Amino acid sequence: RKEVEQDPGPFNVPEGATVAFNCTYSNSASQSFFWYRQDCRKEPKLLMSVYSSGNEDGRFTAQLNRASQYISLLIRDSKLSDSATYLCVVTFSYDKVIFGPGTSLSVIP
Amino acid sequence: NAGVMQNPRHLVRRRGQEARLRCSPMKGHSHVYWYRQLPEEGLKFMVYLQKENIIDESGMPKERFSAEFPKEGPSILRIQQVVRGDSAAYFCASSPDEGEQFFGPGTRLTVL
Repeated sequence: RKEVEQDPGPFNVPEGATVAFNCTYSNSASQSFFWYRQDCRKEPKLLMSVYSSGNEDGRFTAQLNRASQYISLLIRDSKLSDSATYLCVVTFSYDKVIFGPGTSLSVIP
Repeated sequence: NAGVMQNPRHLVRRRGQEARLRCSPMKGHSHVYWYRQLPEEGLKFMVYLQKENIIDESGMPKERFSAEFPKEGPSILRIQQVVRGDSAAYFCASSPDEGEQFFGPGTRLTVL
């Protein structure tokens, strides 16, 4: 089993739709969790950290379920500019950072 | 505060040559990470360094690849005797601790 797995995608959704991505991790000792966004041929950029209590930033909501070892990202009212690859990132121990394979999102007019 | 800088942005090498990729972390960041991204694939961790120390190189190929982060100057990822399979985007990231990483724009290596 891979250390971090994500929905295979791609997701093609119309503007205004709500879309959810899931990510599962195998190491129960994982400590920190993040969602990054990567546009085509660009560097990844932090979208949001994920906390146990869940957190929301505008149209984006991230949730963490430690018992089931998964995190999720919900995007409401999708915009064309949300089209990108979304990367789930898990850290365990102070130096082990694992990126998931990414889920591609295309928002269609 | 300038972001993470990488140079060159694009590098073309012929098979058998050496490639040197440079990464200057953000000011105040002492942790540097190198990742490789092959075309149409995800990011793969290569190595994690702190000043003058390699902390984790579990993602580095055993041969031809090396990395350093000297006391002064940028971090260097060095690939000797490049082969076509080394063609990829190489991203460097830095962080002040073990949390959020900030990425540079990447170096796109093409091996002819």
